[in-house]
Amino acid sequence: QQQVKQSPQSLIVQKGGISIINCAYENTAFDYFPWYQQFPGKGPALLIAIRPDVSEKKEGRFTISFNKSAKQFSLHIMDSQPGDSATYFCAASRRYGGSQGNLIFGKGTKLSVKP
Amino acid sequence: NAGVTQTPKFQVLKTGQSMTLQCAQDMNHNSMYWYRQDPGMGLRLIYYSASEGTTDKGEVPNGYNVSRLNKREFSLRLESAAPSQTSVYFCASSEAFGHGGYTFGSGTRLTVV
Repeated sequence: QQQVKQSPQSLIVQKGGISIINCAYENTAFDYFPWYQQFPGKGPALLIAIRPDVSEKKEGRFTISFNKSAKQFSLHIMDSQPGDSATYFCAASRRYGGSQGNLIFGKGTKLSVKP
Repeated sequence: NAGVTQTPKFQVLKTGQSMTLQCAQDMNHNSMYWYRQDPGMGLRLIYYSASEGTTDKGEVPNGYNVSRLNKREFSLRLESAAPSQTSVYFCASSEAFGHGGYTFGSGTRLTVV
């Protein structure tokens, strides 16, 4: 119940295309869903996050879509650029979870955007 | 704005040696975490400190110990390094436990031979 399953493991997109990364979770108590971006040799950095009271959140070219009934959320990168090439992690946690309140990460998606 | 600072950046150890990875944050965050990252395994939580004075085991704590020295500093110790501990280690901090943005350090690449 604590897992967050992320797909695909790797993704190749042409410049200008749309990159889509999907995540699924089991624990219905999760109420915070962030995405992290990691460049080679760097630590992950928070990219965008959503709470389950909204179905979509957009920041620039990055959009999170959230489907509460399906227990799925996804990251869409519009007009993908070579500079977006990185590893992306989805994650989930629940407020007031006590010892179970840790942020649970997916295994990551390596995105390559070809010029 | 230093954020989360980890030292050292690189380290090579012989099997059986011990070492301590240091982590410090300057954002007045309450919670701190240690993760390891291995190819295909994502980020796995080793230990965490939800608040100053507390520490708890994460998903993969065996072979490690931690100390929350004060609110700023959280160290990770390998008492007797093993080749299976070859990994990239990340320290992170957050204002609230499990919530809000985690700020990660730039990592320590550890090789155990």
